[in-house]
Amino acid sequence: SQTIHQWPATLVQPVGSPLSLECTVEGTSNPNLYWYRQAAGRGLQLLFYSVGIGQISSEVPQNLSASRPQDRQFILSSKKLLLSDSGFYLCAWNGGDEAKNIQYFGAGTRLSVL
Amino acid sequence: AQSVTQLGSHVSVSEGALVLLRCNYSSSVPPYLFWYVQYPNQGLQLLLKYTTGATLVKGINGFEAEFKKSETSFHLTKPSAHMSDAAEYFCAVRAGGTSYGKLTFGQGTILTVHP
Repeated sequence: SQTIHQWPATLVQPVGSPLSLECTVEGTSNPNLYWYRQAAGRGLQLLFYSVGIGQISSEVPQNLSASRPQDRQFILSSKKLLLSDSGFYLCAWNGGDEAKNIQYFGAGTRLSVL
Repeated sequence: AQSVTQLGSHVSVSEGALVLLRCNYSSSVPPYLFWYVQYPNQGLQLLLKYTTGATLVKGINGFEAEFKKSETSFHLTKPSAHMSDAAEYFCAVRAGGTSYGKLTFGQGTILTVHP
């Protein structure tokens, strides 16, 4: 069966520090991968998605970047964190045929920028 | 482009009462529709989905939803609320075809269940 891992679960970082959040998927190949941010009371905002190694699409302009160095690895990064980067970050994947295409989510990373 | 509106950011019910969480969508193409549940500090778990076929779909934990094209709605219901249903619920829409599986989420509805 397929599983998705995100780490760390919780992170507290000072303003101006770098960021690296990692997400890996097991039990599938060539998944579509997604990074979302969830701010309190604001639902989920899609930040990036990737349909293959090295292929990254950005949905919103921001202080963050994403990379996909391996088929089942998706990394969210920042060179210098801002206070506004605080939030709950979720990684997701989907795969399979069109009709059954469902997104599965990781457990999330709670980022607090102080 | 797609959009989702969840009516009511907070819904409160008594244990054993009917749960009704409202979702309206807009989509320029036939949509795929989803309901997810999120417990505190956890990821999202799929409750149910509509892609094609029967418009009344049943999900986990006794929840169901009905796709009504004429009303552009996909409301989530459960006949009898349980304390364990307390969580945040998200409705999401995805366009069929080449959309790379991207979902557009509503703002979420926090369900509180009183004893």
